[in-house]
Amino acid sequence: DVKVTQSSRYLVKRTGEKVFLECVQDMDHENMFWYRQDPGLGLRLIYFSYDVKMKEKGDIPEGYSVSREKKERFSLILESASTNQTSMYLCASMEGRDTGELFFGEGSRLTVL
Amino acid sequence: QKEVEQNSGPLSVPEGAIASLNCTYSDRGSQSFFWYRQYSGKSPELIMSIYSNGDKEDGRFTAQLNKASQYVSLLIRDSQPSDSATYLCAAFSSGTYKYIFGTGTRLKVLA
Repeated sequence: DVKVTQSSRYLVKRTGEKVFLECVQDMDHENMFWYRQDPGLGLRLIYFSYDVKMKEKGDIPEGYSVSREKKERFSLILESASTNQTSMYLCASMEGRDTGELFFGEGSRLTVL
Repeated sequence: QKEVEQNSGPLSVPEGAIASLNCTYSDRGSQSFFWYRQYSGKSPELIMSIYSNGDKEDGRFTAQLNKASQYVSLLIRDSQPSDSATYLCAAFSSGTYKYIFGTGTRLKVLA
């Protein structure tokens, strides 16, 4: 079974703090994704990566950056957290373009005060 | 804006009945379609994928795809209270890496 592990399930941060959300997958998948999920808005793509050191902006990249130094790890960085970044953050991995099947981590619920 | 649209529900069905969930998509470049189940407070879990027109069955679940009508559906037979969750429909285009989710349909199976 594919396992996608997100380092923190719940975080509380203050406005202006730098926040790191880490995601590790154990199935040697090429592709990894970061989404945020908000009530009524559904899942929105922040960034994705299709290879080590490669990254592509999703639909809502503003205020976020990412890092993929190793194939198994994809990190989401909030340089200066703001209250409108309070959300559920979901990491996912995908083996390849031909399947398109996403495997999600358990999620990280971030509250910015 | 490319979209996947779903009725938000809630869709309430009695235990043992067939639950029918539907979605439509606008991007004709989408080639792959998925249904994810999401329990409250949990992350989405893939339950069905479908890539070609017609029906695909897996246990109590049947996914249906009609590319001409840009329509995807999920049937759940013999619905159980444990099926109560939000079901997300998604469309994926491998050419553009565009993965679009609907906002989900909340299903309630009444015991």
